[in-house]
Amino acid sequence: AQSVTQLDSHVSVSEGTPVLLRCNYSSSYSPSLFWYVQHPNKGLQLLLKYTSAATLVKGINGFEAEFKKSETSFHLTKPSAHMSDAAEYFCVVSAHFGNEKLTFGTGTRLTIIP
Amino acid sequence: SQTIHQWPATLVQPVGSPLSLECTVEGTSNPNLYWYRQAAGRGLQLLFYSVGIGQISSEVPQNLSASRPQDRQFILSSKKLLLSDSGFYLCAWSLAGAETQYFGPGTRLLVL
Repeated sequence: AQSVTQLDSHVSVSEGTPVLLRCNYSSSYSPSLFWYVQHPNKGLQLLLKYTSAATLVKGINGFEAEFKKSETSFHLTKPSAHMSDAAEYFCVVSAHFGNEKLTFGTGTRLTIIP
Repeated sequence: SQTIHQWPATLVQPVGSPLSLECTVEGTSNPNLYWYRQAAGRGLQLLFYSVGIGQISSEVPQNLSASRPQDRQFILSSKKLLLSDSGFYLCAWSLAGAETQYFGPGTRLLVL
C-alpha cells in the first residue's frame, strides 16, 4: 500500500522569497515520486520526478525536490518565487512494482504575494 | 511529440441526461489511458484505466463507464447524470509499463 501526505493545504509567500511545499510518503516498495502543477482550470503538468537515481531532482521552472528516505519526505523547493508560480501543486507516489497507478496527495495551493 | 486532447472543455448538463466525454492521444501507440475526477477542493480520484483496446478497469463503483474503441481513444460515459457527477475530469496517458502520466487539459462538467 502507498500513500502521500501534503502537509499544507495552502502556502503563501512573497514574490522573490523561497518556496517550500512539504510532502511525506508511505510505500511498501521503493517508490517513484512526482510533483505536478495545476494552474486554474488546466490539466496537470509534470514538474519533476524521482526514480531511484540522484536524490536531488531538478525540474522545470527552477523547482527542485530532495528525496530523503530516512524522513520519508519529498519536499518541493524554489529559491525565488515568481507570480506565475501561483497554482495548485500535487505530490504523487507510485510503487516500483509493475503497478502503474499513481496515488495523489490532496494538493497545496501556492499563493504569491506581490 | 505526443499530445493529448479532451473535449468538450466545458459542459453543463441537467440531472438525468447522458454524458460522453472524449479523450484522444496523438504521437504514440498502445498507451495506457486513465480517467480521473477532481472534485472542488480535493485531489484526483482515479476512475478508470485501460491498457489496451476494449480493456477497462474500474477503480470505484459509480454510474459512469468507460470505453476504448480505438488504440488512442478513451471515452467516459453515463446514461443518467447525478448532481454528484459534477467536477473536473482529466484524461491521462502513459507509455505501457511506465509510471509517468501526462495529462490532458480537462473537461469541466456541471450537472444542474
